[in-house]
Amino acid sequence: DIQMTQSPSTLSASIGDSVTITCRASQTISNWLAWYQQKPGKAPKLLIYKASSLVSGVPSRFSGSGFGTEFTLAISGLEPEDFATYYCQQYNSYSPYPLGQGTKLEIK
Amino acid sequence: QVQLVESGGGLVKPGGSLRLSCAASGFTFNDYYMSWIRQAPGKRLEWVSYISHLGSTMSYADSVKGRFTISRDNTKNSLYLQMNSLRPEDTAVYYCAREGGPYYSGEKYFLHWGQGTPVTVSS
Repeated sequence: DIQMTQSPSTLSASIGDSVTITCRASQTISNWLAWYQQKPGKAPKLLIYKASSLVSGVPSRFSGSGFGTEFTLAISGLEPEDFATYYCQQYNSYSPYPLGQGTKLEIK
Repeated sequence: QVQLVESGGGLVKPGGSLRLSCAASGFTFNDYYMSWIRQAPGKRLEWVSYISHLGSTMSYADSVKGRFTISRDNTKNSLYLQMNSLRPEDTAVYYCAREGGPYYSGEKYFLHWGQGTPVTVSS
């Protein structure tokens, strides 16, 4: 089964900073990777699919990259509303563990 | 617009049963795979189960296999999760989610989510 590992688990940053979150797959998944943002008490929101395609309405300060087994989510110029938990998900093939463990982005 | 509305959550004793429902609208329900995903308090998202567009294929996380059953009624645009032999570790908010594209598209990310229904398993 493909497993997804995110790093770091927690990230502290200030408004205006640029940050990156990494997601690694235990096997190659081509570019079948999505990123989600979740705020407390809310359902996750899809940000990026196919590793780098931005969902309509998502600010352009979010970007995704990667192929194969290593992927990154980058946020340039953090806004207050960006402080949340981020998850990656592989959808290359069936796995009971499609989601990463999450990265909590905190205000420094 | 796409709407997914879960219901059926609540407080149940260990060993008990609960049936969750997800009412879908705003899209052609029988074109889409659907999933249940849960989140225990303060924990990560955990995929629970999926069902194919016509209900012929289902899959489950190891943690719920043999206890939970996913089903759908395409005439009622509804998704279900029958949860039996509930354990305290099943306590979570349960979300239903729709994939990004129809069954033939390969867009198997979760584009649409419901608001979630909380399940608490406690004596």
